[in-house]
Amino acid sequence: GEDVEQSLFLSVREGDSSVINCTYTDSSSTYLYWYKQEPGAGLQLLTYIFSNMDMKQDQRLTVLLNKKDKHLSLRIADTQTGDSAIYFCAENGGYQKVTFGTGTKLQVIP
Amino acid sequence: AAGVIQSPRHLIKEKRETATLKCYPIPRHDTVYWYQQGPGQDPQFLISFYEKMQSDKGSIPDRFSAQQFSDYHSELNMSSLELGDSALYFCASSGRHSPEQYFGPGTRLTVT
Repeated sequence: GEDVEQSLFLSVREGDSSVINCTYTDSSSTYLYWYKQEPGAGLQLLTYIFSNMDMKQDQRLTVLLNKKDKHLSLRIADTQTGDSAIYFCAENGGYQKVTFGTGTKLQVIP
Repeated sequence: AAGVIQSPRHLIKEKRETATLKCYPIPRHDTVYWYQQGPGQDPQFLISFYEKMQSDKGSIPDRFSAQQFSDYHSELNMSSLELGDSALYFCASSGRHSPEQYFGPGTRLTVT
C-alpha cells in the first residue's frame, strides 16, 4: 500500500525547534516531500529529499530520512508564529502522483 | 516567479449540475496533476497528464473527466455533481523529469 502517517498535532513555543514526524509504507518511494498549507491556502512545497539521501538542510529546515525504518522527519529551527500551519509529508515513486500523509497541525505559541 | 494559475477560485453549483475547472501550469512545465482535498483531509490524487496524454489515474469518479491541451493547460470536467464533491481542487505542475510538483491556490467547489 501507499500509506503515509503523521501525528495530527504539535504545539511548540516560539523560538524552540519543531520536529514533525512521518512514516510511510511504500518501499519504492523515490522522493519524499514536505508541504506547508496555511488556512484556506494552497500547498507550498517546502523541501524534498531523494531516497538515497539521509539528510538535507535548507536554511531553518532539516529533513532526516531513515529509509530502513521508512521514517521521515522535518525539523524547523527557531520556530516562528508564521510557521503555524498544517505540514504534509508526501511521497512518490517517480515522476507521478504524490501520496500525502494525514497532515500535522503545528501551533506556535508566542 | 510565475506560479500555477487556477480558475475559478470559488464555484458554487447545485446537485446534478456540471462544473469545469481550469489549470494553467507554470511556463515550460509539461505535466499537470489534479488533486481533491475534502474538509479536514489530505489531498487525494485524481489524474495526471504528461505531454497532453493521461499518465496516471487515481480515485477519479467516472463522472469526472479531464484533458490537457496543446498549450499545456488542463481542464477538469465534473458532471452530475453530488454534495460529496464539495472540496478544494488543486492543480499541480512539474517540469520534464523533475520531482518538484508546484501547486496552484486551488478552486473551492461548493455543491448545494
